[in-house]
Amino acid sequence: DVKVTQSSRYLVKRTGEKVFLECVQDMDHENMFWYRQDPGLGLRLIYFSYDVKMKEKGDIPEGYSVSREKKERFSLILESASTNQTSMYLCASSKQGADTQYFGPGTRLTVL
Amino acid sequence: GQQVMQIPQYQHVQEGEDFTTYCNSSTTLSNIQWYKQRPGGHPVFLIQLVKSGEVKKQKRLTFQFGEAKKNSSLHITATQTTDVGTYFCAGLGSNDYKLSFGAGTTVTVRA
Repeated sequence: DVKVTQSSRYLVKRTGEKVFLECVQDMDHENMFWYRQDPGLGLRLIYFSYDVKMKEKGDIPEGYSVSREKKERFSLILESASTNQTSMYLCASSKQGADTQYFGPGTRLTVL
Repeated sequence: GQQVMQIPQYQHVQEGEDFTTYCNSSTTLSNIQWYKQRPGGHPVFLIQLVKSGEVKKQKRLTFQFGEAKKNSSLHITATQTTDVGTYFCAGLGSNDYKLSFGAGTTVTVRA
C-alpha cells in the first residue's frame, strides 16, 4: 500500500514565523501535491511537483513556496505565516499527474 | 483553467433513503475520479470513470459518467451512517495533466 506521511498532525505558529510542512511518500511516485482545505472551498491546489527540483504553481501559490530535493519528499514553506493561512494542509502523491492521488493524514495549522 | 463544480454542497439524508450528488465540468473531461473523506480523515480514492456513458457500481454506490463527458453523478441507495463524509469528484481535462477537484458534497445522515 502507498503510504504518505506528513510531519505533524497539528501545528500552532505565530504570525511572521517561517513554517515548514514536510511530506514523504514511499511508492516512488513522480508527482507530489500540496493542497489546503477550508470549509466550503474544497481542496485548493497550492503547488505541485512532477519531478525532483521541478515545481509548478497551483491555484493559490501566494504566500507559499515548495522544495523537492529528493523524489520521496516534498516540503511546503510559509515564509512569513499569516492568520489567513490557518487551515488544513493535505499532501498527496501520484504516479502520473492524472493518476489516482494518495493523500497524507493532513496537518492542521493554526497561525495566531 | 478547467473548473469542476459539485452540487449540492451539503446533503442531509434520512437513514435508508437514496440520494444523488452531481459533478459538472466547464470542459470535456478525459476521466473523472471520485474520492471520499470521512470526518477527521483524508480523501481516499473510490473509483475512476473513463468512457462516455460509463456506469460503475460499488455495493450501494453507483457512479456514472455523462455521454458528453462533462458531468458525473454518484448515487447512494439505502443510505447508512457509514456513508457520512465528504465526496469529491476530480476531473482531468483533455488538455490538462493534473486533476481538478470539486468543492465536495458533505453528507450527514439522520438515524
